Amino acid sequence: DTAVSQTPKYLVTQMGNDKSIKCEQNLGHDTMYWYKQDSKKFLKIMFSYNNKELIINETVPNRFSPKSPDKAHLNLHINSLELGDSAVYFCASSQDFGQAYEQYFGPGTRLTVT
Amino acid sequence: AQSVSQHNHHVILSEAASLELGCNYSYGGTVNLFWYVQYPGQHLQLLLKYFSGDPLVKGIKGFEAEFIKSKFSFNLRKPSVQWSDTAEYFCAVNAQAGTALIFGKGTTLSVSS
Repeated sequence: DTAVSQTPKYLVTQMGNDKSIKCEQNLGHDTMYWYKQDSKKFLKIMFSYNNKELIINETVPNRFSPKSPDKAHLNLHINSLELGDSAVYFCASSQDFGQAYEQYFGPGTRLTVT
Repeated sequence: AQSVSQHNHHVILSEAASLELGCNYSYGGTVNLFWYVQYPGQHLQLLLKYFSGDPLVKGIKGFEAEFIKSKFSFNLRKPSVQWSDTAEYFCAVNAQAGTALIFGKGTTLSVSS
């Protein structure tokens, strides 16, 4: 069974469009994250939710809006897509936040904005 | 603010060579330290982690890392690399007080057979 899954795996879209990426974890974890990996493979935290509450919101344009309908899901909606949004987006989860818990990563969603 | 530096951007080795990848962090308090690996086309997987106790940590696939608090370092080592170790390696840190995981910029390891 896949621990952290993301859909879609690939997403190609045009500038100005709105798109969503979905993430689900079946590990029973309380905390979920979104990371962005740029073309140089640099990984940076974007958001984190703990028990459906937003606890980390890094300096990310407000075109990006995370939504957590329940503890097992964390979706990422992006409005008015720009060329610079092209990247691989990784979802991750951990048992809890604020402790030394391992983060489990999903397979990533490669977003290409043309 | 916390930061993580990985000194080697791209390392090229032959099979059976020894590996050491450098990682330094900047944070004055107690930290948790991680090494993640990303094989080509795959997601990140945990290699090993340090929370407390023995500063020499053993992980999967023959990897180990040593936490040297005085040097703010957490270098990754493997005595004999294999072609299948070709991947991107990321060092990461978060403060035990509870912060987000901060990643280094990664080191690309290429192993030739």
